[in-house]
Amino acid sequence: KAGVTQTPRYLIKTRGQQVTLSCSPISGHRSVSWYQQTPGQGLQFLFEYFSETQRNKGNFPGRFSGRQFSNSRSEMNVSTLELGDSALYLCASSEGGDEQFFGPGTRLTVL
Amino acid sequence: ELKVEQNPLFLSMQEGKNYTIYCNYSTTSDRLYWYRQDPGKSLESLFVLLSNGAVKQEGRLMASLDTKARLSTLHITAAVHDLSATYFCAVDIGLATNKLIFGTGTLLAVQP
Repeated sequence: KAGVTQTPRYLIKTRGQQVTLSCSPISGHRSVSWYQQTPGQGLQFLFEYFSETQRNKGNFPGRFSGRQFSNSRSEMNVSTLELGDSALYLCASSEGGDEQFFGPGTRLTVL
Repeated sequence: ELKVEQNPLFLSMQEGKNYTIYCNYSTTSDRLYWYRQDPGKSLESLFVLLSNGAVKQEGRLMASLDTKARLSTLHITAAVHDLSATYFCAVDIGLATNKLIFGTGTLLAVQP
C-alpha cells in the first residue's frame, strides 16, 4: 500500500495570507489527524477527522480549520497567517483507533 | 489535561554503550507509542505498546510499558551511530479518538 502523502512539501507565504494543505491517507484508512511541530512548542495535536466528521480538536485558534472528503482525503486551512505559524505540519492516518502512520509533512514558512 | 514528560532531553553517548530514555505520563492510558525522527524528516513508528507489562524489541532498541507507574522506557543497547536521531514517546488519550500527546523528544547523538 502507498503511504500517507502530503502536498505541497514546502510552502512560503507572507503574513496575512491563507494557506491550504492536503493529506491523502493510506488506502482504507478513515481517520486523519493533523499535528503541528515547532521548535518551541514541539508536536501538538490540531484536529482529527473520521468519516468526514471532526472527532477532536486541539487548542488552536479558529484560524486553523480542516475538513475531510468522502474519499478520506483531508485538507487543513490556516487563515490570516502569522509568523508563529511557521512549522512542520504532519498528518497521520489510521484505520480507526489503531496505530497512526505519518506522512512526510509540509514545511510552512511565513515571512 | 494529559501531560507527557520525557527525559533526558539530550543524550550524547559513545558507540557501544547502553542507555535508557524515560517517558512519564500523567493520566491513565493503555496505548503508548515510540517514534523516531531524523532531521527534517517525518515520524517513523518504532513501537506500539498496548498493555501493562508490554515489552517489544527491534534490533538494539527495546521498549516497555508500566501502566500502573505511568512509565515507558526505551532502552538502547550497544549504541551505533545510525541510531542518532530524536526519539518521541506519545500517549493516546483514548476516548475513541486518535489524539496523541507527545513528549518533548530526546535528541540522541551517538559519538564514534
